[in-house]
Amino acid sequence: ETGVTQSPTHLIKTRGQQVTLRCSSQSGHNTVSWYQQALGQGPQFIFQYYREEENGRGNFPPRFSGLQFPNYSSELNVNALELDDSALYLCASSSRGGARAGELFFGEGSRLTVL
Amino acid sequence: AQSVTQPDIHITVSEGASLELRCNYSYGATPYLFWYVQSPGQGLQLLLKYFSGDTLVQGIKGFEAEFKRSQSSFNLRKPSVHWSDAAEYFCAVGPYSGGGADGLTFGKGTHLIIQP
Repeated sequence: ETGVTQSPTHLIKTRGQQVTLRCSSQSGHNTVSWYQQALGQGPQFIFQYYREEENGRGNFPPRFSGLQFPNYSSELNVNALELDDSALYLCASSSRGGARAGELFFGEGSRLTVL
Repeated sequence: AQSVTQPDIHITVSEGASLELRCNYSYGATPYLFWYVQSPGQGLQLLLKYFSGDTLVQGIKGFEAEFKRSQSSFNLRKPSVHWSDAAEYFCAVGPYSGGGADGLTFGKGTHLIIQP
């Protein structure tokens, strides 16, 4: 069973730039969620994708956008980066059915630093 | 709006001693509750979950948690901690799908330190 993998693991950008983070879901999972974790804080929900459609969105501006592909992998795009976007970005996959439905399986995250 | 409070930012416990981490939640419907653990620089690992049924749930690594609806609490316990339990612990509440308007809402975490 392949777990959730994210890339890149670390990256540095400057204010105003754009970034794309990638996530491969655990095999058998059809739902992907993205979270932002600032230093010393708990993760905050950005959005969730199910069957390539956005299924829910937290309190993040439109410059945070995403995609889910037919193979259930996903991208998080952030435009016009701000200093406060510096954080660990976590991807989590889950399944809508089965014994472990609703459980989120997290990747190790992408650490973004905005200078 | 849903919310989670973890009152203890840091907890120090001696190796072999018992542990209880507190979690209080606010949620407008039937809560689905989770405890996750995060080691430094790592993603989150699910320890246990409560969806329905028996209010005392068992998880991995010897952890258990008890759901108390009257107190809106979901405290995590372990009878005897090991040095490898040192980590950040997060309580979370959310809908069954993990999506919707708020996804899972996490607390700010409790940092567990194990003394030899």
